[in-house]
Amino acid sequence: QVQLQESGPGLVKPSGTLSLTCAVSGGSISNWWSWVRQAAGKGLEWIGEIHHSGSANYNPSLKSRVTISLDESRKSFSLRLSSVTAADTAVYYCGRNGGTAPGTGYYDLWGRGTLVTVSS
Amino acid sequence: DIQMTQSPSSLSASVGDRVTITCRASQSISNYLNWYQQKPGRAPKLLIYTASSLQTGVPSRFSGSGSETDFSLTISGLQPEDFASYYCQQSSSIPYTFGQGTKLEIK
Repeated sequence: QVQLQESGPGLVKPSGTLSLTCAVSGGSISNWWSWVRQAAGKGLEWIGEIHHSGSANYNPSLKSRVTISLDESRKSFSLRLSSVTAADTAVYYCGRNGGTAPGTGYYDLWGRGTLVTVSS
Repeated sequence: DIQMTQSPSSLSASVGDRVTITCRASQSISNYLNWYQQKPGRAPKLLIYTASSLQTGVPSRFSGSGSETDFSLTISGLQPEDFASYYCQQSSSIPYTFGQGTKLEIK
């Protein structure tokens, strides 16, 4: 079955750039794919999503710092978050959208999540 | 942004109880409301999508209802594995937003 696996550095320096990749295995990458994060003891925050066509949507609160890209040949999609601060310390999850129609921005498949700490 | 407000924030219940968690949207979201369960150290798990559709593999004791701004998640006959945190999420408009969560604890 389809599985997602996040990878990337667990420690990023303040003002640096956080870069994570989510590998899609066992299935097609033809879908919408998303990133969601969760600070310790806090709720879930939607970061953004990308379609296999390349179309992307971002959370306005992060839009100036976020880029999500997709590599069809590698069956993966990536997150870049620039100018990070301690407030960006969180577990980052990648997820698969449940469909392509409007309103299907829910996630039926998640990666295990990866903790990224912003610290010098 | 659409604000999602869950209540209660925490809830104590016993095995076998029936519990209901509510979620209110700051504006109408039609039926674009989803529910997740999350256990410590684990990724969220989709339970209900579009307000009342049960995700494949989720036990039928979970049910969802509501429309427009008011929604609820009901668990009928709590099982030990149901003690976890629950989040609602709207997928009506970007940015998709989540409720603050409800922690369901054993009484």
